[in-house]
Amino acid sequence: AQSVAQPEDQVNVAEGNPLTVKCTYSVSGNPYLFWYVQYPNRGLQFLLKYITGDNLVKGSYGFEAEFNKSQTSFHLKKPSALVSDSALYFCAVSPPNDYKLSFGAGTTVTVRA
Amino acid sequence: EAQVTQNPRYLITVTGKKLTVTCSQNMNHEYMSWYRQDPGLGLRQIYYSMNVEVTDKGDVPEGYKVSRKEKRNFPLILESPSPNQTSLYFCASSSSGSGAYEQYFGPGTRLTVT
Repeated sequence: AQSVAQPEDQVNVAEGNPLTVKCTYSVSGNPYLFWYVQYPNRGLQFLLKYITGDNLVKGSYGFEAEFNKSQTSFHLKKPSALVSDSALYFCAVSPPNDYKLSFGAGTTVTVRA
Repeated sequence: EAQVTQNPRYLITVTGKKLTVTCSQNMNHEYMSWYRQDPGLGLRQIYYSMNVEVTDKGDVPEGYKVSRKEKRNFPLILESPSPNQTSLYFCASSSSGSGAYEQYFGPGTRLTVT
């Protein structure tokens, strides 16, 4: 069975500083990896995904993530955080060619002005 | 506008009173799924559907039922709700169940069972 770990419940950064949200996974085979963001009182929104190919994936709102197979990680990054990036972020993994998506517990990001 | 809609958005009910949460998508997606979100646990899958009349259990199906009679609709039924089903529920859809496609989420339904 697959699983996802987000080791930090909370990440606090100052506006303009780099933002990193960590994610590690466990799955058989080559994984499909996703990041979603949830703003207060909203559903989840897709940010980016890794399926195959280039290990550095670029997504919405200036976010990117790097797939590292040897470390089984898929950390989310943004070079310069904005106050509007404050939200709850979820990492998710799916085995190849499988319907089942498993989510991490989520990381709350707070960007202070 | 492409979207997943859920109704109601908020619901307070009592133990044992049957309820249905509706979910509808207008993107002609084959795959639909229900999740519940609880603090510290992330999202856990309740049921999913690969297509019309094809449904299967997720990680936490106990106490829930679903049906998929039309492609666009995927209602979640709680026949005898209990307080441990108090949670935030999300419906999601995807163009395919292959796992490579992102899911589109509804706005959520906050359910309180007293």
